[in-house]
Amino acid sequence: DVKVTQSSRYLVKRTGEKVFLECVQDMDHENMFWYRQDPGLGLRLIYFSYDVKMKEKGDIPEGYSVSREKKERFSLILESASTNQTSMYLCASSLGNSLQYGYTFGSGTRLTVV
Amino acid sequence: GENVEQHPSTLSVQEGDSAVIKCTYSDSASNYFPWYKQELGKRPQLIIDIRSNVGEKKDQRIAVTLNKTAKHFSLHITETQPEDSAVYFCAASMSFMDSNYQLIWGAGTKLIIKP
Repeated sequence: DVKVTQSSRYLVKRTGEKVFLECVQDMDHENMFWYRQDPGLGLRLIYFSYDVKMKEKGDIPEGYSVSREKKERFSLILESASTNQTSMYLCASSLGNSLQYGYTFGSGTRLTVV
Repeated sequence: GENVEQHPSTLSVQEGDSAVIKCTYSDSASNYFPWYKQELGKRPQLIIDIRSNVGEKKDQRIAVTLNKTAKHFSLHITETQPEDSAVYFCAASMSFMDSNYQLIWGAGTKLIIKP
């Protein structure tokens, strides 16, 4: 089974802190995605990456950046955390040239910014 | 680009009845349509998918239908059970960079099964 692992299940940070959310997948997937999930707003794409060092903005990139130095790892960075970034963050991965197996999601990181 | 609309946002059905969730998409080039189920506190997981060369697909109590002409697809759950209570997301594929693909998501439907 493809596994997507997010480093933290719950995280509490202070306003203004720099926050790193880590995601690792073990099936050599080309694509990796970061979503934010808020009640009633579905899955909103923050950033995605289709190759090492490559990144593309999603629908809500403001206040976030990403890093993909290795194929298996995709990091989401909140440069200066704010209370409106309190949310559930989901990482996902997929094959690049096929959606045969769809996306595989991590378990999520619930971030609270106080 | 692709846009996916999903209805209803909340659906409440009596246990044992059927539930239907509908999605429409805008990009006629989309050719892959999965459905994901997210139970409370858990990750979304693929439950069924359909490709554009097929009109219907079934897996026990769940089925998906696709109408490419009308650009809509639906999830059907029969004989609903309490464990069907969850948020369901539909999605449609969109290509980028010639040979790569990503999914565009509907906003989700919260399905409530009443005992």
